[in-house]
Amino acid sequence: QSALTQPASVSGSPGQSITLSCTGASSDVGAYNHVAWYQQHPGEVPKLMIYDVTNRPSGVPDRFSGSKSGNTASLTISGLQAEDEADYYCSSYTTSNTVIFGGGTKLTVL
Amino acid sequence: EVHLVESGGGLVQPGGSLRLSCAASGFTFSAFWMHWVRQVPGKGLVWLSRMSRDGSNIAYADSVKGRFTISRDNVRDILYLQMNSLRVEDTAVYYCGRDVNSAVDSWGQGTLVTVSS
Repeated sequence: QSALTQPASVSGSPGQSITLSCTGASSDVGAYNHVAWYQQHPGEVPKLMIYDVTNRPSGVPDRFSGSKSGNTASLTISGLQAEDEADYYCSSYTTSNTVIFGGGTKLTVL
Repeated sequence: EVHLVESGGGLVQPGGSLRLSCAASGFTFSAFWMHWVRQVPGKGLVWLSRMSRDGSNIAYADSVKGRFTISRDNVRDILYLQMNSLRVEDTAVYYCGRDVNSAVDSWGQGTLVTVSS
């Protein structure tokens, strides 16, 4: 199964809002509300930011929010901060009882 | 505090085998599904496998199906990944993770597997 599609890079200025996209298919993103988003800083392990499309784990700032429409999920970061610069990955449960990740988006804070 | 510690990585020749372990602490291991995920340094995350609480539900990515086997010991609180017929392209950092609705909410620090002659 092919990876979910994410833009390779996105950039924004401090204070801005940006949205990262994650496009899948009717067999994964479109099939279930089990889409997650991860943040990974260089040299660190991934950190879960959003699960089940919209849920934030304890400790994740409410500047991070998730949504989904059809086969595309989105992560919106409002009030962009320098420490948000990182790689972001989406994932989804699939109809094959597997999980699939996106290729990742490198977020640059200008 | 949730703590996951992977071990068992190292250098292995193509065609060889390794068994990775993931020691869990700080939570009730038997109450959670668990995952294995890998990442080539500098590249993206790749999901490999997931096992249910009691081991009755197991899934694998196509890339490792038939070569890798996930298992767990709910008495010793350890997750395993038996890797056979290793290929150069299996070289990566391997992470174990705790499941929350098909997402990974806690990650180990990873163990590096290098497949090379």
